[in-house]
Amino acid sequence: EAQVTQNPRYLITVTGKKLTVTCSQNMNHEYMSWYRQDPGLGLRQIYYSMNVEVTDKGDVPEGYKVSRKEKRNFPLILESPSPNQTSLYFCASSFRVPGGDAGQETQYFGPGTRLLVL
Amino acid sequence: GENVGLHLPTLSVQEGDNSIINCAYSNSASDYFIWYKQESGKGPQFIIDIRSNMDKRQGQRVTVLLNKTVKHLSLQIAATQPGDSAVYFCAESASSASKIIFGSGTRLSIRP
Repeated sequence: EAQVTQNPRYLITVTGKKLTVTCSQNMNHEYMSWYRQDPGLGLRQIYYSMNVEVTDKGDVPEGYKVSRKEKRNFPLILESPSPNQTSLYFCASSFRVPGGDAGQETQYFGPGTRLLVL
Repeated sequence: GENVGLHLPTLSVQEGDNSIINCAYSNSASDYFIWYKQESGKGPQFIIDIRSNMDKRQGQRVTVLLNKTVKHLSLQIAATQPGDSAVYFCAESASSASKIIFGSGTRLSIRP
């Protein structure tokens, strides 16, 4: 089954304790992206990756890191989480960068990771 | 389920009626637009998209209209069903950029 998986689905942590949220897709997609979703703000892009070893900042990258060592995986790293990073996080993937070739840019989203930083 | 929007605008429609969800976008350079549906506890799901060289596109029970003059996008759902209850997001992208910008969403509520 074609899918994007995220782990963990729920996480409670304390300020300053490093954490990683994993994201994996089995569709051989080149483009992957992380979003955070907060009430009233919709989804805001944190980081994106156009291919292996190619990553770039989105709209709200502060406090986050990513890596893309393999095509299928795109982990989100919070080196020193703070309470303002409490949010719902989504990973997404598509064949091509959004807005590119027709029919290639539909993004598939993971189920989300609910993070609470105390 | 997940509470994805405490202060979302809400559209309430009678089951069987047509729904129209509106969206204003901001970037004149945007040339690709998407509608997503997000059910409680799930990630957004692609519904339909449209490019700026079109002003209308139809899918199964859904139609997207694009008015570039006033930078307005709408999603029409025919014969709304209980399963259509969700938060709907519009999103825009410019081919010169490499990312999608999401709107804040509209909650669609179905009355029996």
